[in-house]
This record gives sequence, structure tokens and C-alpha cells, in this order.
Amino acid sequence: AQSVTQLDSQVPVFEEAPVELRCNYSSSVSVYLFWYVQYPNQGLQLLLKYLSGSTLVESINGFEAEFNKSQTSFHLRKPSVHISDTAEYFCAVSSSGAGSYQLTFGKGTKLSVIP
Amino acid sequence: DAGVTQSPTHLIKTRGQQVTLRCSPKSGHDTVSWYQQALGQGPQFIFQYYEEEERQRGNFPDRFSGHQFPNYSSELNVNALLLGDSALYLCASSPRPGGYTFGSGTRLTVV
Repeated sequence: AQSVTQLDSQVPVFEEAPVELRCNYSSSVSVYLFWYVQYPNQGLQLLLKYLSGSTLVESINGFEAEFNKSQTSFHLRKPSVHISDTAEYFCAVSSSGAGSYQLTFGKGTKLSVIP
Repeated sequence: DAGVTQSPTHLIKTRGQQVTLRCSPKSGHDTVSWYQQALGQGPQFIFQYYEEEERQRGNFPDRFSGHQFPNYSSELNVNALLLGDSALYLCASSPRPGGYTFGSGTRLTVV
């Protein structure tokens, strides 16, 4: 079984300040890791993913996340946030092996960017 | 290129009724998964369909059933609706595990 813990349910941050959204996972097998963003009344949009290779992954809009296997973490960071980054962010994990295809999500972190 | 399309966007049902939600996957995707997202929670995996068969199922009762058609589109059926079934239902498609694209969801309200 897998689980995801997002340590902060809400994170307020001033515009242009840096932010870190924390994610820890538990799994007995190798994993793929994802961050999704959800704007109000919308579905989920993939922000970035770690499948293999470099442990630092980046998105096109300035977010990055680093896979830390020893700490079982996949924290999301952005050096300077914008008002438009206000949304809910979900960390998710799936098994990288055959036979298990579901995504297991955390409960989400609401990022509020303050002007 | 259209992404994942879900219909309807919203609906209201009465307790005890049955509901069918529909999903058209992104072009080129043959795998469809369904998730339930209750208010204030992360999405919970219901089941996944591949080659018209249920490949994996989450911890949901048999009242939740599905179907996948030869064109890869899918339906989610929920029987004997309960108030607790009120949620956003999300469909995700993929060409393979690891590359999921989500639709905008169907907001189901049970009264």
C-alpha cells in the first residue's frame, strides 16, 4: 500500500516570495511521483512528474521538485510566486512496477498568494 | 487536440437514484481511470479500464461500476445513491501508466 502526506493544508505567501510545498510518501516499491494543480471548479492539471533519471524535475512555469529517496520526499518549490499561482496543489504517487496503476493522492495544499 | 472530455459538468440526483457519468479520453489514450474527489479531499481511485476490462479497483462498493467501449470512452455508473456520494468525479486517461491527463470533472450533488 502507498500513502502520501502533504504536511501543510494551507500556505499563505506574499507575491514574489519563495514557497515550498512539502510532500512525503510511503511505499514498499519503487514509485513514480507527481504534482498536480487544481484551480477552483476545475479538474487536475499535471505540473511535473518524476519517472526516472534526474531527481530534480522542473515545470514550464517555474516550479521544481526534487525526489529524495532516502527521505521519501518530493517537495515542490518556486523561487518567486505570482498571484496566478493561487490554487490547490496535490502530490501523488504510483507504483513504477507492473500490476498497480492507481494514483494515490495527498489531501492537498492550498496556496494563497497575497498581493 | 481535445483533452479528456467529461459529461455532464454538473448534475443533481435524489438519494436512491442511479447515475451515469461519461468520459471521452484524450486522442491516442487507451486507458481510463475514475476518481472521486470529496470536498476538501484529494482524489480517491475508483477503478481503471483497459481493453474494455476493469484492470484495477480501489476501495469502493459494488454500487460503483463502469464500462469501457471499443473507442476507449468510458462510463461510470453509481446505483442507490447516498448523500455521501456527492463529490467531483474525475476521469483520467493515459497511453500507459505514468502519463495521466485529467478531465474537468462532473460535479454530482445527491439530495
